[in-house]
Amino acid sequence: GNSVTQMEGPVTLSEEAFLTINCTYTATGYPSLFWYVQYPGEGLQLLLKATKADDKGSNKGFEATYRKETTSFHLEKGSVQVSDSAVYFCALSDGSGYSTLTFGKGTMLLVSP
Amino acid sequence: SQTIHQWPATLVQPVGSPLSLECTVEGTSNPNLYWYRQAAGRGLQLLFYSVGIGQISSEVPQNLSASRPQDRQFILSSKKLLLSDSGFYLCAWATGGAAGYTFGSGTRLTVV
Repeated sequence: GNSVTQMEGPVTLSEEAFLTINCTYTATGYPSLFWYVQYPGEGLQLLLKATKADDKGSNKGFEATYRKETTSFHLEKGSVQVSDSAVYFCALSDGSGYSTLTFGKGTMLLVSP
Repeated sequence: SQTIHQWPATLVQPVGSPLSLECTVEGTSNPNLYWYRQAAGRGLQLLFYSVGIGQISSEVPQNLSASRPQDRQFILSSKKLLLSDSGFYLCAWATGGAAGYTFGSGTRLTVV
């Protein structure tokens, strides 16, 4: 079956540091890949997505590239801010009509001033 | 624009009591609807999904049930809550394929 593996957190960084959160996946076929962000006490928001190999999703300074050869979709940001502190979830959709998403366990990011 | 409403935001219920959580979607027709649970340290677990009125698929057999009485309404229920039902419940909708989900703001359920 499908699965998503994320690096365990929390990831603790100082403001303006470089961020990488690793995500690898196992899936049949050609899944779409997503990063969601969850701020404290809130639901999940779509951060970015990529639908085919070598696509790069980007939003709010975050980027992730769909690497089929390494089955990875690592999240990066060049300079984090305190407001980026949240839990980040990597997810995949197998593209079936039911569109069920398989999520990783989430990685908490804590950014200090 | 499409919006999703989920309520209540927080709920404290005694063991053995019933549960009803409601989710409604506006601004779209015939969405796929989903209930997820987020337990502490365990990520997101898909509980139920629905592709149409009256059509419910269960991913994990447990103490919960779901119903879709109207196109844009999705209800999560239990007849008797267990302590293990505590968690953060999220409703979501999608139009399919690579669109991803739009999530509601969640319900924090504590069973005491």
